Order: sequence, then C-alpha cells, then structure tokens
Amino acid sequence: NAGVMQNPRHLVRRRGQEARLRCSPMKGHSHVYWYRQLPEEGLKFMVYLQKENIIDESGMPKERFSAEFPKEGPSILRIQQVVRGDSAAYFCASSPYTSGGGKETQYFGPGTRLLVL
Amino acid sequence: KQEVTQIPAALSVPEGENLVLNCSFTDSAIYNLQWFRQDPGKGLTSLLLIQSSQREQTSGRLNASLDKSSGRSTLYIAASQPGDSATYLCALGGANNLFFGTGTRLTVIP
Repeated sequence: NAGVMQNPRHLVRRRGQEARLRCSPMKGHSHVYWYRQLPEEGLKFMVYLQKENIIDESGMPKERFSAEFPKEGPSILRIQQVVRGDSAAYFCASSPYTSGGGKETQYFGPGTRLLVL
Repeated sequence: KQEVTQIPAALSVPEGENLVLNCSFTDSAIYNLQWFRQDPGKGLTSLLLIQSSQREQTSGRLNASLDKSSGRSTLYIAASQPGDSATYLCALGGANNLFFGTGTRLTVIP
C-alpha cells in the first residue's frame, strides 16, 4: 500500500507565477489535509478537505490560495501570483474515512519544497 | 487558540544516554497527542499516538506520556543512538486538524 504521494518534490517559481502542488492520499483515505512549514517554524494547518468538499479552510490565506479534492484525481493546492514569502515546505496528510480531522492518525507525504525567486 | 511549545529547541547528547523531550500546550480539550519524527528534507513519521483518555504509550525504546491537567507531554528515548538524530515534533489533535509545536532538534553524538 503506497503512502501519501506528493509531487513535485521541489518547485521553483518566479514572483508572480502560479504554483500547483499535488497530493495523492493513501489508498482508501478520503480525508486530505494541507500544512505549511515556513523555514525554522512548525507546521501550520491550512485546509482540510474531503472528496469534493472543503471542510475547514481556516488556516489558508484568503487571497491567492485555493485547494480542491475532486471526485477523481489528486488534491491540488494552488498558489497564484507567488511571492517570496510563499517559499516553504508544503505537506499533505491523509486519513481514512472514520471520524476524520485531528481525532485519528494522519499520514504525511514527503512534502513539496517551494522556492520563489 | 491552541499554543504548543517544545523545550529545548535543540539538544545534543552522547550515544547511549537516556533523554527526555518536553511538549506543553494551553488547551486541554484535545482528542489525542502525537509525537512525530522529521528527518532533514523528508516528511513526518508518526512515532506514538496517545488518545486523550490514555496516560502513556510505549514503542521499543520510546515512551510518551500525557498529562492533560497540566498541559504537558514528554517523550522519553532510552539508550539513544546516532540514528535517532532528527527533529521531534509533538502535535495535538483538534477537531479538524493537528496543532504542531516547533520541534526539538536532537543530535546524538557517536
């Protein structure tokens, strides 16, 4: 059973470009979470999604950031018009369809390191 | 709002030593507490999960405790090895997400 997969592992963008980060959850998992880790900081929650639904996006910046988890295919975190402050590691996690959220173990992917020049 | 603090931020110990990592939190209304390991440039590996109704969990050389009343958790590592060198993160399970501390960077010196 493959773990959580994220791609690309590394992404370089120039200021003003768009960044698309993909996350494929573990097989059988229908809950996906995105976290951001700024340099020398802890992981911060961004958004929690189930298939075709955003459950909690309280940690996601209101502008330029969006996330989706379609019925088919991976979850996508999209950052429009990137700025240098967006440089960070973005981690995706998934959990099975039980109670979801922070009530159960979340399984993390290897992360996408975004560098904005 | 949940605040999670980990002390110390960095720790160096000689191989073979027993050590304790600390995690404190402000809101005891949690579902669980997890300890993760993060290696440089890698993802997170779950080490131990303690449900809110439990007091401790053990796995091999690792033992984690949870005291909700005082808002504290400890991760005890016995007989440390160079391969234990990594950053250790504690995370509190909330309703929809995990709240992470900033981690303790452990170096075990051969």
